Amino acid sequence: KAGVTQTPRYLIKTRGQQVTLSCSPISGHRSVSWYQQTPGQGLQFLFEYFSETQRNKGNFPGRFSGRQFSNSRSEMNVSTLELGDSALYLCASSWTSGSFEQYFGPGTRLTVT
Amino acid sequence: KQEVTQIPAALSVPEGENLVLNCSFTDSAIYNLQWFRQDPGKGLTSLLLIQSSQREQTSGRLNASLDKSSGRSTLYIAASQPGDSATYLCAVPLRGGTSYGKLTFGQGTILTVHP
Repeated sequence: KAGVTQTPRYLIKTRGQQVTLSCSPISGHRSVSWYQQTPGQGLQFLFEYFSETQRNKGNFPGRFSGRQFSNSRSEMNVSTLELGDSALYLCASSWTSGSFEQYFGPGTRLTVT
Repeated sequence: KQEVTQIPAALSVPEGENLVLNCSFTDSAIYNLQWFRQDPGKGLTSLLLIQSSQREQTSGRLNASLDKSSGRSTLYIAASQPGDSATYLCAVPLRGGTSYGKLTFGQGTILTVHP
């Protein structure tokens, strides 16, 4: 079974631009969560989607948004990029079958210049 | 608010040693606890998940224990190898059981196993 995939793997953007990151969960998984990882703050929760509905949102500004499609694939968007948005963005998927084990993708490394 | 702490922050050991990584959490009403491994610049690899009703889980040379009442979990690595060098993270989901995808992570333990 294929793992969680994220595209693109690396991205360089300029301040003020916007960016869209994509996450394809493991086949059959309906829950997708997004995290931002930086050296200073560690791993911070962005949002979680289940069956196209946002179930939870972390403490991030409105510039960060996301959505989930009917096939469970998810995208996150960051508008008006700031230097501080440079980070590794990770997504995780799980299937609410009882164990709720989270499986992470390889991440997208975003650099804002 | 759940807080997760990992001790030590870094650990350097010679190959072959048995070692213990510690994770503590402030809210003992957890549903499960998950241990991950992260190699530099890479994603997280799930190592072990312990349900709240379990005391321990084993996978190969890894053994994780959970003591909910004291808010602690330990990850035991037997006969460490240089390939075990990585950052180890523990995480617990949001209390309430409605959002298992919202994990609170510790800051991690950076493990270096030298030959």
